[in-house]
Amino acid sequence: EVQLVESGGGLVQPGGSLRLSCAASGFTFSSYWMSWVRQAPGRGLEWVANIKQDGSAKYYADSVKGRFTISRDNVKNSLYLQMNILRGEDTAVYYCASLDYGSCSGGDCYYFDYWGQGTLVSVSS
Amino acid sequence: DIQMTQSPSSLSASVGDRVTITCRASQSITDYLNWYQQKPGKAPKLLIYGASSLQSGVPSRFSGSGSGTDFTLTISSLQPEDSATYYCQQSVTSWTFGRGTKVEVK
Repeated sequence: EVQLVESGGGLVQPGGSLRLSCAASGFTFSSYWMSWVRQAPGRGLEWVANIKQDGSAKYYADSVKGRFTISRDNVKNSLYLQMNILRGEDTAVYYCASLDYGSCSGGDCYYFDYWGQGTLVSVSS
Repeated sequence: DIQMTQSPSSLSASVGDRVTITCRASQSITDYLNWYQQKPGKAPKLLIYGASSLQSGVPSRFSGSGSGTDFTLTISSLQPEDSATYYCQQSVTSWTFGRGTKVEVK
């Protein structure tokens, strides 16, 4: 059974830092792109970042670029999100998700396949 | 960035009704469009990928169609367990989501 378990959330002051972790099991972690997606309280979903299987490619939403860093450890089957210079608008439940792909007209098309249960990050003074 | 506009923002329908949710992209995304279902307090669940491919294990009453900029998610016969918020999402670039459609089952 695929499991993604996030941890590391909590209350942090504006300008502070936090590191989220996601422990993966039940699938070959090193074979999949991975992502972070967040959801502010009562709001919709927002993609945050993607990382390639070997960590050689990383992509970020403009809203977090330069402040957040996605990384992974394929030995520990873990995904991370280092969040710096946190702002109130970063308050959200953060989900880790695995990416899979199917066949689309223009080639491979990716989708968020498995999701964790989420970890809440609250940024407030 | 590609903007995704969903409509309606909410709807209420009866068990057995046919329900359609639309999603429009601000530019062509061919068929790089996915649909998710999210119930309160839970993580989203993939329903449809590539605009029309049903994810394994998802009931066949769910279907997706469209290409280019206009897409639809259809629930052919609404069930009580379909009460949820539904999101479309494009995977061309900077993977944006629609704002969601909340479906209430009367």
